[in-house]
Amino acid sequence: DGGITQSPKYLFRKEGQNVTLSCEQNLNHDAMYWYRQDPGQGLRLIYYSQIVNDFQKGDIAEGYSVSREKKESFPLTVTSAQKNPTAFYLCASSIVPGTGFDTEAFFGQGTRLTVV
Amino acid sequence: GQNIDQPTEMTATEGAIVQINCTYQTSGFNGLFWYQQHAGEAPTFLSYNVLDGLEEKGRFSSFLSRSKGYSYLLLKELQMKDSASYLCAVRDRSFKTIFGAGTRLFVKA
Repeated sequence: DGGITQSPKYLFRKEGQNVTLSCEQNLNHDAMYWYRQDPGQGLRLIYYSQIVNDFQKGDIAEGYSVSREKKESFPLTVTSAQKNPTAFYLCASSIVPGTGFDTEAFFGQGTRLTVV
Repeated sequence: GQNIDQPTEMTATEGAIVQINCTYQTSGFNGLFWYQQHAGEAPTFLSYNVLDGLEEKGRFSSFLSRSKGYSYLLLKELQMKDSASYLCAVRDRSFKTIFGAGTRLFVKA
């Protein structure tokens, strides 16, 4: 079945350590996204990519990095420079917006990162 | 700035109808989405409106008025499993999607 997979579901890290969150999709989507979700707030865009080997900063990119070496994969690294990294992280994919009528995003199950 | 407003919480009774409102102010408009999100899970797509009017999909309907910057999601014949957060999201002129904070719906017996 086609879908988008994030791993792990829960992640604990010590302050000051970098951590990488995995996101894989087999929906053949060109566009992939990383969002952060905090209680009482909407999803905030961290990074997005519309094609392999290219990505753009979203609204809250500071302290994060990404790569897009393969169409299927879009890993997110939370670096020690991110001041408040504890959050629920969601990865999503879609066809490239503006190229089709329904361009809803398909989301992974999320990774809850806790930094202690 | 860009802004999407929706109520924080709503409570409704099983079997009833509930309407969740969403107002938005964005730089241009290229469609409005509604997603459902159960606690700790992924948002799932419910509906998409790009033209004014009502879109119906089973127990769920979504309405859009672009001139008023307004949408609502209507849920009929409420079931306990409809207890979730409902996210309104708008795509702006650059096709960037902005999400509201979500409305937590509690369905009681």
